[in-house]
Order: sequence, then structure tokens, then C-alpha cells
Amino acid sequence: GAVVSQHPSRVICKSGTSVKIECRSLDFQATTMFWYRQFPKQSLMLMATSNEGSKATYEQGVEKDKFLINHASLTLSTLTVTSAHPEDSSFYICSARDSGSVTYEQYFGPGTRLTVT
Amino acid sequence: SQKIEQNSEALNIQEGKTATLTCNYTNYSPAYLQWYRQDPGRGPVFLLLIRENEKEKRKERLKVTFDTTLKQSLFHITASQPADSATYLCALPPGAAGNKLTFGGGTRVLVKP
Repeated sequence: GAVVSQHPSRVICKSGTSVKIECRSLDFQATTMFWYRQFPKQSLMLMATSNEGSKATYEQGVEKDKFLINHASLTLSTLTVTSAHPEDSSFYICSARDSGSVTYEQYFGPGTRLTVT
Repeated sequence: SQKIEQNSEALNIQEGKTATLTCNYTNYSPAYLQWYRQDPGRGPVFLLLIRENEKEKRKERLKVTFDTTLKQSLFHITASQPADSATYLCALPPGAAGNKLTFGGGTRVLVKP
């Protein structure tokens, strides 16, 4: 089955530093990947759509200069949280659609728990 | 505005019984609807997709119905097992088609042995 990996699974950083999270599709190509964040006991909130070879599309209210997305290849998208603050602490999850599939299911990574101290 | 509602209260159910979850939506005309399972601290896992022209879909012990008139989907877990305990999320695309999904708040299911 389609597998999406994320790295790191957990990261603790100090306020003001930047953190990069990687999302990889391991056995399929993904022209489109998605980045979500999830707060405890809440549902997933879409942050942005990452498009291979072009700029990401951000949802309303998400600062593109704070959450930098790079989709440099068909199997890798990265999310960089710049100048992180404690309120950025959350569970970040990526997902990908198989470019060769005619169906619309998304395959999710295992998530990255970010804690900003 | 578009809204997806799932019962936020946890569903406690005895092993072997059928769990039924509801997903209601407003101001959507989705071409399809999806259901996902999420375990604590993990990413969601795709379970089923049902299209607007399908009334019912089955996969092993799972059954999903889709009523576009009522704007509702029902998700059934038959012969439930403790391993089915998780949060179940429904998700819809914003319009008739499209890549991105909007998720409901999820319903937590706890199956007791």
C-alpha cells in the first residue's frame, strides 16, 4: 500500500528558532501534498496545499512567511516553521495523493509533534 | 458557510455490537465522501470512499451509506472489536471535485470487551 513518511516524529525547539519537517511518499509519486495541523482533541485543519514545482496554496489565515513549504520533487515536500513560538506547538501531519490514481483518497504520514519552549 | 458535523461525544459500545456514526454536512454538494480512522498520536488512515451516485459501500465489517438528499453519511462498524477503538473522521471535498479535503471533528469510538 501507499506509504507516507514524516521526519522527525517529535521535535522540541526553542522559541525563535526554525524547524523543518519532511514529508516523503515512499512508493508513489505525488504532485500534490497537503499539510495539516491538529490541536489536542480537535480535527485536522488544512494549512496549505503543496504543489510540485510551483508555489504552495495557503488556506485563509495561515501565514505563508511563517510556514514555508517547498515541494521540490514528486516524493518530497518540506514544511519549515520559521521563528517558532510556543503557540506553534502542535501536531503537524502531511498527506499525499497518488498522481497515478483516479481516486481521491489521501495517504497520511504519521505526524510530527512540535513543542516550542 | 460550509459545515461538516460529527457527533463529538464518544461512542461507547459493547464488543460484538454494531457502532453507527453520523456525518452531516451543509452548503456542500460533494461528488464523494470519505471516512478515515485516526489512532491517538498518529495520522489518519483512509478507510472508504463513497461517491454521490452510490447509496452504500462495504469493506469487510465496515458499511457506509450516503444520502445526498439528507446531506448525511452513516458509518457502521459491525461485530465491533476492541481493536476498532479509535476516532473516525469523515471528509469532503469543497466542491464537485478537487484535491483538498475538509474534515469533520471526528467521533471517538470505544469498544469494550
